[in-house]
Amino acid sequence: GAVVSQHPSRVICKSGTSVKIECRSLDFQATTMFWYRQFPKQSLMLMATSNEGSKATYEQGVEKDKFLINHASLTLSTLTVTSAHPEDSSFYICSARDLGSGGIKKLFFGSGTQLSVL
Amino acid sequence: GQNIDQPTEMTATEGAIVQINCTYQTSGFNGLFWYQQHAGEAPTFLSYNVLDGLEEKGRFSSFLSRSKGYSYLLLKELQMKDSASYLCAVRDQGQAGTALIFGKGTTLSVSS
Repeated sequence: GAVVSQHPSRVICKSGTSVKIECRSLDFQATTMFWYRQFPKQSLMLMATSNEGSKATYEQGVEKDKFLINHASLTLSTLTVTSAHPEDSSFYICSARDLGSGGIKKLFFGSGTQLSVL
Repeated sequence: GQNIDQPTEMTATEGAIVQINCTYQTSGFNGLFWYQQHAGEAPTFLSYNVLDGLEEKGRFSSFLSRSKGYSYLLLKELQMKDSASYLCAVRDQGQAGTALIFGKGTTLSVSS
């Protein structure tokens, strides 16, 4: 089945630094990827839709200048948390759909990145 | 607005049957998904309903009533490893495109 790889799995950084998270579709092409954020015991909240070759679409309340998304190829999207602060500490998960798979167009998720900002 | 409701927590014993309910109000509807998520891990796909009725898949079944905005996930012959969070998600045809909108999840604890 389709595989989405996400790195790193865990990041601990100092306040004010930037952190880049990579999301790759390993065996399919993903023109669209989705970035979610999940706080403890909370739902997965959609942050933005990443579109290959064009600007990302951000959900209301998500700062596009703080959460930079780059989708430069059909298999790679990156999320950069700029000038991270403790309130940005969360579980970030990327996902993609394999449109060429036929059948149910379910989302495949990366393994997630636990970001802890000190 | 968009809203997906499911119970926060449920408990059950090994071998039992448990039903996790989900109600939704979304601007559009193009399918309802159930995912299982263990703490600190990514969600894994369990089931998908787009038409009314019951979809059975081994120990897990999922039901949908579009007119009622209602779904449930039925887990049979519960095992300890079924202890996890179960997420109800709806594909909305609104501004978010093909992204899924998730409920807060139901934490299921299975005891022996």
